[in-house]
Amino acid sequence: DVKVTQSSRYLVKRTGEKVFLECVQDMDHENMFWYRQDPGLGLRLIYFSYDVKMKEKGDIPEGYSVSREKKERFSLILESASTNQTSMYLCATTGQANSPLHFGNGTRLTVT
Amino acid sequence: QKEVEQDPGPLSVPEGAIVSLNCTYSNSAFQYFMWYRQYSRKGPELLMYTYSSGNKEDGRFTAQVDKSSKYISLFIRDSQPSDSATYLCAMSAGAGSYQLTFGKGTKLSVIP
Repeated sequence: DVKVTQSSRYLVKRTGEKVFLECVQDMDHENMFWYRQDPGLGLRLIYFSYDVKMKEKGDIPEGYSVSREKKERFSLILESASTNQTSMYLCATTGQANSPLHFGNGTRLTVT
Repeated sequence: QKEVEQDPGPLSVPEGAIVSLNCTYSNSAFQYFMWYRQYSRKGPELLMYTYSSGNKEDGRFTAQVDKSSKYISLFIRDSQPSDSATYLCAMSAGAGSYQLTFGKGTKLSVIP
């Protein structure tokens, strides 16, 4: 079974802080994704990566950046956290085109 | 018109009922269809994965795709309280697509 591990289940940060969300997968998948999930808005893609050091913007990249230095690890960075970034953040991975995504259990981030 | 429409519910049914969950979509290029189940405060987990039109059965779950009507369904037979969750449909086009388009989810409660 694919295992996608997100380092924190719950985080509380202050406005203006730099926030790192970490995701690690154990299946040697090339493709990794960051989503945020909000009530009434569903899942929205922030960034994705097809390979080490490669990144592509998703639908809502503003205010976020990502880092992929190793194949198994994909980090989401909030350069200066704001209250409208309070959300559930989900990391996902897949090995092949048109294949299902495998999700981590999410990080619930609250920015106060 | 949104690409994928899914009634958010909430849907409440008695234990043992047959549940029907549905999504409609507008993009005729979609060929791969998925259903995810998401428990509260957890990440989505894959339930069913189908290609093109037709039915697929897995235990109490049946996924149905009607590409001519751009309509997909998930049926749950003999529903259990443990089926209480949010159900998300997702789909992707062919041609090496890695990105999924998600519905916003239907919240289901199965009452004992």
